Amino acid sequence: DIQMTQSPSSLSASVGDRVTITCRASQSISNYLNWYQQKPGKAPKLLIYAASNLQSGVPSRFSGIGSGTDFTLTISSLQPEDFATYYCQQSYSTPRITFGPGTKVDIK
Amino acid sequence: QLQLQQSGPGLVKPSETLSLTCTVSGGSINSSSYYWGWLRQPPGKGLEWIGSIYYGGSTYYNPSLKNRVTISVDTSMNQFSLKLSSATAADTAVYYCASTINTVLVNDYWGQGTLVTVSS
Repeated sequence: DIQMTQSPSSLSASVGDRVTITCRASQSISNYLNWYQQKPGKAPKLLIYAASNLQSGVPSRFSGIGSGTDFTLTISSLQPEDFATYYCQQSYSTPRITFGPGTKVDIK
Repeated sequence: QLQLQQSGPGLVKPSETLSLTCTVSGGSINSSSYYWGWLRQPPGKGLEWIGSIYYGGSTYYNPSLKNRVTISVDTSMNQFSLKLSSATAADTAVYYCASTINTVLVNDYWGQGTLVTVSS
């Protein structure tokens, strides 16, 4: 199984801050890395696919980069609606996908 | 645009079988473009893939659950189902059905989620 890790596990930030979340895979997954946002009581929402592609309708303040084993999600200017938990997901071994443990972003 | 609608009981007794169904609208479940899968999320925890089924009936299961999981498709009803046998309290979670499009390999559509509690 491909294991995914994320850091930090949580962070506190203010509106307007630049936020960076890191995801690491236990083996090379090329660019088969997706990012999801989840709010309480809701299903995850796709933000970024194939490491760096913005899903249609997602604000451009979200961006992703990476390849191989190391990936980053950046929110350039945090907005009130961005307070949520973020998960990375490897789809290299589809359908046997695995998720990172999540990064909770809350208000400082 | 697909829509996935989940149904099934929210309470299951220990040792019994947890059963959920996901009805797909806006597209055919018999399409080769998608995997159809189940995931779960224990309260306050992360997401776990349970298993998936593909066009033609091929199934794939999480090894940690493999002996207890069955995923099947009913093409006449355009739905797929999850059965998890010998349920325990550790199976208490929000269960989601989701589609995986086999081009960009993402979970692009999700069901609304069902909280299933295993308790007597």
